[in-house]
Amino acid sequence: DAMVIQNPRYQVTQFGKPVTLSCSQTLNHNVMYWYQQKSSQAPKLLFHYYDKDFNNEADTPDNFQSRRPNTSFCFLDIRSPGLGDAAMYLCATSILTGATSGANVLTFGAGSRLTVL
Amino acid sequence: GQNIDQPTEMTATEGAIVQINCTYQTSGFNGLFWYQQHAGEAPTFLSYNVLDGLEEKGRFSSFLSRSKGYSYLLLKELQMKDSASYLCAVKDSNYQLIWGAGTKLIIKP
Repeated sequence: DAMVIQNPRYQVTQFGKPVTLSCSQTLNHNVMYWYQQKSSQAPKLLFHYYDKDFNNEADTPDNFQSRRPNTSFCFLDIRSPGLGDAAMYLCATSILTGATSGANVLTFGAGSRLTVL
Repeated sequence: GQNIDQPTEMTATEGAIVQINCTYQTSGFNGLFWYQQHAGEAPTFLSYNVLDGLEEKGRFSSFLSRSKGYSYLLLKELQMKDSASYLCAVKDSNYQLIWGAGTKLIIKP
């Protein structure tokens, strides 16, 4: 089945120790997104790629970086995790950007839950 | 600012009907989405409304009133597996998705 796969599902790190989360997709979607979701809160968009074009949200801290080496893979790098970065990180894909008419449904991965000690 | 309001938590009985409301204040409107998210899992798409009225899809229906900035998700014949969070999201005039915090639905036998 075509899908979005995130690894690892659970990541424990120490304060300040860099972390990389990965996302792969077999849907051949042009757009890939990274969201941060804390408990009982709305998902917060960190950034997205349209093909190789990177779009950073204005309020995404510099501590968060991303790479998309090819259509299928996208990485989220947290350079120096703080306690406030503990969250679920969700990767999602869509065929086009949202700037289109129609549903443009997002397909999400199962998420990577980050714990910072 | 832009805002999506949903109840934090609702409880319903297996076999019953429940309505989850969503009100929004956004800069423009280009569609409203409902997603279901089971604990520890990915959100999955349920419905999309862009015109006023009711969209029915099996046991789930979604309603939209653009003039009132209001939508609801109606779940019929509730099953235990429907216990999940339900997220409302609106696409604004810049085609940005504005998400609500979700409504946690608890189904009791």
